[in-house]
Amino acid sequence: QAGLTQPPSVSKDLRQTATLTCTGNSNNVGSQGAAWLQQHQGHPPKLLLNRDNNRPSGISERFSASRSGNTASLTITGLQPEDEADYYCSAWDSSLRAQVFGGGTKLTVL
Amino acid sequence: QITLKESGPTLVKPTQTLTLTCTFSGFSLRSGVGVGWIRQPPGKALEWLALIYWNDDKRYSPSLKSRLSITKDTSKNQVVLTMTNMDPVDTATYYCAHGGWGSWGQGILVTVSS
Repeated sequence: QAGLTQPPSVSKDLRQTATLTCTGNSNNVGSQGAAWLQQHQGHPPKLLLNRDNNRPSGISERFSASRSGNTASLTITGLQPEDEADYYCSAWDSSLRAQVFGGGTKLTVL
Repeated sequence: QITLKESGPTLVKPTQTLTLTCTFSGFSLRSGVGVGWIRQPPGKALEWLALIYWNDDKRYSPSLKSRLSITKDTSKNQVVLTMTNMDPVDTATYYCAHGGWGSWGQGILVTVSS
């Protein structure tokens, strides 16, 4: 069961910009921020941005994140075929004292 | 370089207890970090299960708390997750990950079937 809400799917054209959203509440996204992970079929998730919007070494600058209120967003510019994957957001919930994940968004690059 | 690897049974029977071990390298659980467990049923989303910190503080998924236990062996660089009363709906790939989510194991597919 997902604690954060993500759209199930997003489709965008090659080289365009995609913005994926993740909606929580004031106990998680709104106060703790959200991390973003990418998962290709058959592989473990990979961290794209931590909750402070920092990219680990090796992650492209095409990936960026922002937050407005209880909604976090992941923006991917210049979409490439390899960006086609599932994207998950995750945040610490201070009320539940637990980590919560979104249900994931499947990004299709047309 | 941080690496993690999950090990344990790939097939368990309903009602049995699952014990999974995460063996890691490249960091120590002696200070400032934690190790978490996450699972993913086939074709479904990630689900957070538990987290243990360097100071032995533990956190559990509220919905599974009664069935989970997480422990660490700092000397062996291992974290162990046990889940009791396994059911077919618990069939999933189980991952362990560094607390900042920056490093994940490859995962282990656990099937619950009689």
